[in-house]
Amino acid sequence: TQLLEQSPQFLSIQEGENLTVYCNSSSVFSSLQWYRQEPGEGPVLLVTVVTGGEVKKLKRLTFQFGDARKDSSLHITAAQTGDTGLYLCAGVKNYGQNFVFGPGTRLSVLP
Amino acid sequence: DAMVIQNPRYQVTQFGKPVTLSCSQTLNHNVMYWYQQKSSQAPKLLFHYYDKDFNNEADTPDNFQSRRPNTSFCFLDIRSPGLGDAAMYLCATSRGRSAGRNEQFFGPGTRLTVL
Repeated sequence: TQLLEQSPQFLSIQEGENLTVYCNSSSVFSSLQWYRQEPGEGPVLLVTVVTGGEVKKLKRLTFQFGDARKDSSLHITAAQTGDTGLYLCAGVKNYGQNFVFGPGTRLSVLP
Repeated sequence: DAMVIQNPRYQVTQFGKPVTLSCSQTLNHNVMYWYQQKSSQAPKLLFHYYDKDFNNEADTPDNFQSRRPNTSFCFLDIRSPGLGDAAMYLCATSRGRSAGRNEQFFGPGTRLTVL
């Protein structure tokens, strides 16, 4: 059983469209992070969310942490081909030490 | 620039022939991690070091070992690689393990091929 679930698993959209991907758990997390990974490279940290209800913006990307700290979303406005990649959420369960990754959402933005 | 470096980027070995992958960091982080990532899957944690304290994941095969001789370097040893061990191996570091300190910084990975 995955501690972190991500949806959708795959997403293919046209350039300029908006999209939202989700990261969900039945457990409370002390923090969640989002990473983007391009083919043949290591994941790159995009953002960390810590406080329930927190919203962070990174240019066209908006990240939200659920009030109960069990879920998070990533919204991309006006997607560009450079947004293509594997989006991974990850974090540490409350009072835990083990860092876990979700299975990822593979995003393709077509020109 | 402070960073995580992995060498080599590509490694080819033969079935059963021991191989060592290396990772170094200039971030002076306390924690170093090794992940295995197979095609179209999320990274899977193999083990991590908190300073010199080694933490093995329960399902990491005995075939995988690690060494951390100092803060900057960490090695992944695969004693007898099988075909199923072909994967991307990612090294990462973090300042600590608690919230606010556990953001991980990844190296570019080493892609291992087993013939």
